[in-house]
Amino acid sequence: DTEVTQTPKHLVMGMTNKKSLKCEQHMGHRAMYWYKQKAKKPPELMFVYSYEKLSINESVPSRFSPECPNSSLLNLHLHALQPEDSALYLCASSQGPGQVNYEQYFGPGTRLTVT
Amino acid sequence: GENVEQHPSTLSVQEGDSAVIKCTYSDSASNYFPWYKQELGKRPQLIIDIRSNVGEKKDQRIAVTLNKTAKHFSLHITETQPEDSAVYFCAASKSGGYNKLIFGAGTRLAVHP
Repeated sequence: DTEVTQTPKHLVMGMTNKKSLKCEQHMGHRAMYWYKQKAKKPPELMFVYSYEKLSINESVPSRFSPECPNSSLLNLHLHALQPEDSALYLCASSQGPGQVNYEQYFGPGTRLTVT
Repeated sequence: GENVEQHPSTLSVQEGDSAVIKCTYSDSASNYFPWYKQELGKRPQLIIDIRSNVGEKKDQRIAVTLNKTAKHFSLHITETQPEDSAVYFCAASKSGGYNKLIFGAGTRLAVHP
């Protein structure tokens, strides 16, 4: 099973709303990632969790708050977003540091629209 | 900083022709090079990858070559089919860390019947 799942598929939110994106994998991977992808652009790394600890924050604004409740779940909490934050948010996972396989698998993404 | 350049940005071929996409990376410590295919509205899908200790890897109609000296790697698709039409992204990363992928800008491949 090489599947990463994400919910919701689509999300429309106002600039004063608080919402959360969810990601789940059951491949036993210990590294999980959040990416942001704008139209016609490559995925842009936001955060990396390794063994449930935040390892990389690519200078992401604090209105994005990641959380890793356990080794299978990854959340992205959203608050006071701007219209320019509208994008496809992708979750990914891989085995983790020190492991043999480097393959990173992506979820289907959440299409976020900020109004 | 780390950078991956990808060419061409668009590529149009006739069904049955070959397609080649080229990438150049800047960080000589990079040692893992995956290729992703992304169809419209779908997730990036890993289609093939190569590590720095290998010069070439093939999987059916898809092959990847790596020239470490020149810091180049390429994706080769033979006998293209309309379902190969998608955006292809190359990426580079350094193993041992958190597998931070540095992506190229992408190539939009169109295969015409």
